[in-house]
Amino acid sequence: EPEVTQTPSHQVTQMGQEVILRCVPISNHLYFYWYRQILGQKVEFLVSFYNNEISEKSEIFDDQFSVERPDGSNFTLKIRSTKLEDSAMYFCASSNAAEGGPNSPLHFGNGTRLTVT
Amino acid sequence: AQSVAQPEDQVNVAEGNPLTVKCTYSVSGNPYLFWYVQYPNRGLQFLLKYITGDNLVKGSYGFEAEFNKSQTSFHLKKPSALVSDSALYFCAVRVSTGGGNKLTFGTGTQLKVEL
Repeated sequence: EPEVTQTPSHQVTQMGQEVILRCVPISNHLYFYWYRQILGQKVEFLVSFYNNEISEKSEIFDDQFSVERPDGSNFTLKIRSTKLEDSAMYFCASSNAAEGGPNSPLHFGNGTRLTVT
Repeated sequence: AQSVAQPEDQVNVAEGNPLTVKCTYSVSGNPYLFWYVQYPNRGLQFLLKYITGDNLVKGSYGFEAEFNKSQTSFHLKKPSALVSDSALYFCAVRVSTGGGNKLTFGTGTQLKVEL
């Protein structure tokens, strides 16, 4: 079964540094998402992306965050200048409208654990 | 604002017994409700959803959920729990204003099934 893959599995960075988290969504999916989960707590929406532009974003997704689909397969999340509070598990997800239109299930990757020191 | 609540941080069940993981919702308009499961060090996996139709929804791994409009609840159930069902369970509601499936998740319920 196709999977969403994320790299790296764990990223350690110093405060103020830029990080790029990478994701390869399922190939025939058209909607892409980033969520984050702090210390096994609630899963929070960051951003959704469709047709090469941001579809929706949350208040968390401020100017320090950006997303990009640099080629036909990768979907990246960049944090420009990391803060301690950015430490979390970041999950990429994708969905296929053929599985239920706007209510299509999200397929999640296994996440990247970001640790900011 | 659309939201879901999971009142229990943890549920303990003996293997073979029925299990229920509770979820209540607050939405304006029609609710689109989902259950996801998370195993340690893994992403969330879709279990089932309620969009419209029958109030009892069947999903993966023998799980089902009952939509109750009058009680604004969407509890997850399984007739006979397995040790392998032990995981973190999230209820979610669709809150998109666009075409995607932006979800708001509950705080999660840790299910522990013991022998």
